[in-house]
Amino acid sequence: GQQLNQSPQSMFIQEGEDVSMNCTSSSIFNTWLWYKQDPGEGPVLLIALYKAGELTSNGRLTAQFGITRKDSFLNISASIPSDVGIYFCAGLLNSGNTPLVFGKGTRLSVIA
Amino acid sequence: DAGVTQSPTHLIKTRGQQVTLRCSPISGHKSVSWYQQVLGQGPQFIFQYYEKEERGRGNFPDRFSARQFPNYSSELNVNALLLGDSALYLCASSRSLTDTQYFGPGTRLTVL
Repeated sequence: GQQLNQSPQSMFIQEGEDVSMNCTSSSIFNTWLWYKQDPGEGPVLLIALYKAGELTSNGRLTAQFGITRKDSFLNISASIPSDVGIYFCAGLLNSGNTPLVFGKGTRLSVIA
Repeated sequence: DAGVTQSPTHLIKTRGQQVTLRCSPISGHKSVSWYQQVLGQGPQFIFQYYEKEERGRGNFPDRFSARQFPNYSSELNVNALLLGDSALYLCASSRSLTDTQYFGPGTRLTVL
């Protein structure tokens, strides 16, 4: 099946640092989504991207839909301890009724 | 507005048993999707329902089945449980098949 390559797998950063993570695919996606998941909880939607080249912000978070439609990145500026968690990218393929495809996640740890 | 709700929160079963998980979508959402998330992985698509009809099915055995009711709530059934079915089962709802999906907190299933 379709797969998203998400990197890095994990990150350890100091509080206040900026963070960048990305997702790539061999397939063209119609929509890119970024979710955050805390332990034992469901994923929470952070940012949704619907157009190639689109750059969208949500507070300290910024995400972009790659112009090739095969990649997306998420940046977090000035990280804080509550940013800790697992970040997932997800995409909707550009064909018919297809399900969300998820990456394997980036585990973020913030050192105070 | 209430988000997606799932019940039960946790469940422990033994091999060979059957389980039913329940999901109530966000008010106004007509599509429900089910995902399985094993530890350390991203969610994997199981089913998507829209207007009470199955509109998509992932690569899961026939032991997995689901249905959607007239009020758009949904149930996921798993028969003949295996140890490998232990996972977090997530339900997501959306207004339509391709709209942004919002996740519930999940049901943690442990098969002993």
